[in-house]
Amino acid sequence: NAGVTQTPKFQVLKTGQSMTLQCAQDMNHEYMSWYRQDPGMGLRLIHYSVGAGITDQGEVPNGYNVSRSTTEDFPLRLLSAAPSQTSVYFCASSYREGTDTQYFGPGTRLTVL
Amino acid sequence: AQSVTQLDSHVSVSEGTPVLLRCNYSSSYSPSLFWYVQHPNKGLQLLLKYTSAATLVKGINGFEAEFKKSETSFHLTKPSAHMSDAAEYFCVVSWRGRRALTFGSGTRLQVQP
Repeated sequence: NAGVTQTPKFQVLKTGQSMTLQCAQDMNHEYMSWYRQDPGMGLRLIHYSVGAGITDQGEVPNGYNVSRSTTEDFPLRLLSAAPSQTSVYFCASSYREGTDTQYFGPGTRLTVL
Repeated sequence: AQSVTQLDSHVSVSEGTPVLLRCNYSSSYSPSLFWYVQHPNKGLQLLLKYTSAATLVKGINGFEAEFKKSETSFHLTKPSAHMSDAAEYFCVVSWRGRRALTFGSGTRLQVQP
């Protein structure tokens, strides 16, 4: 199993550009989520999904879109990048939400100029 | 609102000495508690989790944590630090009925030779 994979590993954008961060898992997990990590703030939930076709907002959803057309994939779209979105982004998955162990991808480091 | 507080942002110990990383959470109502570790430029990996079984939980790499409901604490300990333990550690809480995890702000552990 590859586990949770994320692409790209690094990305530099200009303000106003759009892009999609990719996330895939091969463990047949129902629950997937996106977090951003900023210094001194831990990880904050952006969006999550409890199964194909079902998504919901987390703590910091503004400026991001998600969709879940398959169990395996959960892309995160930045609609119009802003410097405040400079961060490290992690995708995670688990069999179920809540008390289940989360499996994290290696992260995408995004810089918005 | 529920919250998680990691009491130290940085902890420095000498190799071979005990490690104590402190975590308190805001409510004792049916929490599930986790400790995750993040090595530099890596994703997060589960160290251990508490889900209402034994209050002393053993994890990987010699770490353990004790759930104390009366103190709303879940401190992480290790009897003897190793250089490879240098990393950032996150205390994470999941409350019953909530879909999202709540992360502490992290504790960076330094291990001196």
